[in-house]
Amino acid sequence: DAKTTQPPSMDCAEGRAANLPCNHSTISGNEYVYWYRQIHSQGPQYIIHGLKNNETNEMASLIITEDRKSSTLILPHATLRDTAVYYCIVRVRVDYKLSFGAGTTVTVRA
Amino acid sequence: NAGVTQTPKFQVLKTGQSMTLQCAQDMNHEYMSWYRQDPGMGLRLIHYSVGAGITDQGEVPNGYNVSRSTTEDFPLRLLSAAPSQTSVYFCASTPLAGGRPGSNEKLFFGSGTQLSVL
Repeated sequence: DAKTTQPPSMDCAEGRAANLPCNHSTISGNEYVYWYRQIHSQGPQYIIHGLKNNETNEMASLIITEDRKSSTLILPHATLRDTAVYYCIVRVRVDYKLSFGAGTTVTVRA
Repeated sequence: NAGVTQTPKFQVLKTGQSMTLQCAQDMNHEYMSWYRQDPGMGLRLIHYSVGAGITDQGEVPNGYNVSRSTTEDFPLRLLSAAPSQTSVYFCASTPLAGGRPGSNEKLFFGSGTQLSVL
């Protein structure tokens, strides 16, 4: 699997958009970008995934650059409950082995 | 809907003791897996299974055994606990389509088991 690089931490103001970057410069053509988050000590929660097109769901938007070497997860209106560790993962869709790096600790402040 | 259920939530062991962490899911998911999470770190894959009778090793399998006799259950066994196995353990599951990851690839996680080995 391609390696990902995320900033270790970032702050965000409540009500504002949170833009979480992820670099994956060695991504291959058949690897997808996945985002999960882990709130406090709970199990991780799936957010969104994509291959090359931008994706949006009820939780977030995923913007993938044209060369697919980086992506941004956007939380459009961050709330205090969005405070969590966010993991960016790239993997081949049929790969059963999925591990999580250190992620980005996002703190939403009132 | 119970989802993925892990028991116990907390456990303290002495070095050399054995125990089994339980994981059960009621979603008829073929794929199940075990992760460990050490303080300040991400999750590392221990073992996984793509169906009853089929298991394989992940990134950090040493010191752990698994079996998958039913679709619902995927227990993780520590045969001789060591302090290095102190960690939080998460179980996860997802459905597969035709034996391969299909369109629904969300991993569903349990709430975790916090294990301390003294």
